[in-house]
Amino acid sequence: SQQGEEDPQALSIQEGENATMNCSYKTSINNLQWYRQNSGRGLVHLILIRSNEREKHSGRLRVTLDTSKKSSSLLITASRAADTASYFCATDALTAGNKLTFGGGTRVLVKP
Amino acid sequence: NAGVMQNPRHLVRRRGQEARLRCSPMKGHSHVYWYRQLPEEGLKFMVYLQKENIIDESGMPKERFSAEFPKEGPSILRIQQVVRGDSAAYFCASSRDRSGGSNGNTIYFGEGSWLTVV
Repeated sequence: SQQGEEDPQALSIQEGENATMNCSYKTSINNLQWYRQNSGRGLVHLILIRSNEREKHSGRLRVTLDTSKKSSSLLITASRAADTASYFCATDALTAGNKLTFGGGTRVLVKP
Repeated sequence: NAGVMQNPRHLVRRRGQEARLRCSPMKGHSHVYWYRQLPEEGLKFMVYLQKENIIDESGMPKERFSAEFPKEGPSILRIQQVVRGDSAAYFCASSRDRSGGSNGNTIYFGEGSWLTVV
């Protein structure tokens, strides 16, 4: 079964609203990363949070990590139409060597 | 500093033909990873290579798929006798050091190669 699972699968919001998406995983991790993918494009690295960190900020992005619940959340504040994309979490598991394991993604639509 | 370069961006092959996808890592990066993305899904790990060596190929199908990263030149993902189920986006990523671990070395992705098998 998949290591990372995003929730919700799809999200539609108005410009200016906040978008929150969650990621759950199953095994212990070294770190967890969030990526953005615009349609037909590659992945853009957004933020990495290590297993000993609980919260991290980068611009309008806020990521939390709860290792006891094996979950992470990504919050995009004051969303813009340009934030429309798919967002993926990827875990670097202790037992997975050098593989990143991706969830199925959350498709975010920000309406102007 | 150019990013990870993949070509071709789009490739159409008939069933039974061969597909060859190329990836040039970022300058100074000697670790290369290949991932496959089916429509509406996340990326699935295929193979991890370091110059001239396959380190982890646990995600590679046992048949028809092979990967190499020669001393000189790009990494190549080769799919022989393609079938419709091989239609997907294939992403290459690279890192300077081994990714992951407590250092959390970031890997950088290319724009992908979209393979369509007709």
